[in-house]
Amino acid sequence: AQSVTQLGSHVSVSEGALVLLRCNYSSSVPPYLFWYVQYPNQGLQLLLKYTSAATLVKGINGFEAEFKKSETSFHLTKPSAHMSDAAEYFCAVRGGENNLFFGTGTRLTVIP
Amino acid sequence: GAGVSQSPSNKVTEKGKDVELRCDPISGHTALYWYRQSLGQGLEFLIYFQGNSAPDKSGLPSDRFSAERTGGSVSTLTIQRTQQEDSAVYLCASSLRFVETDTQYFGPGTRLTVL
Repeated sequence: AQSVTQLGSHVSVSEGALVLLRCNYSSSVPPYLFWYVQYPNQGLQLLLKYTSAATLVKGINGFEAEFKKSETSFHLTKPSAHMSDAAEYFCAVRGGENNLFFGTGTRLTVIP
Repeated sequence: GAGVSQSPSNKVTEKGKDVELRCDPISGHTALYWYRQSLGQGLEFLIYFQGNSAPDKSGLPSDRFSAERTGGSVSTLTIQRTQQEDSAVYLCASSLRFVETDTQYFGPGTRLTVL
């Protein structure tokens, strides 16, 4: 079975500061990992995904994530936060199942 | 092109009533998923359709929940005898194929409130 833990339900950063959103996974098979973003009253939009090709994955809007098997982690980072990055972020894992398993989400606030 | 659409966007109903939620996937996508997003619980999988295969209903929380997909396209999620704990945002997603690495594209959701 698969599961995801997102550390920190709320994260606040200053505009221009580093964004780091943490995700740890558990999987009995080699996982595929995803980060989605959800803006208010909208559906989820894919930021990036790890499909075993490269451990450092670059996504949209300047975000990237690194798959670390030894740490069972897939943390999301962005060097410089923008006001428009304020949203809820979900990490998800898939491996051997029909569906994605999502974390409980991290709400990112960007302080001007 | 057009994304996943869902209707209605909001639904308020009384306890005990039946509701139907509709999902129009992206044209040509063979896989369709329903998830439920509840406050503080993240997203939980409900049901999955792939082509003409039998659906994976393993996530449905009770027999009051059912779903169908007609003609391999539009899907309807039905909740019978709604309860207050059914209040949530119901999200539909579709992907081009049933491949684990395929991106699931999500609709905007239907917010269900059971009074």
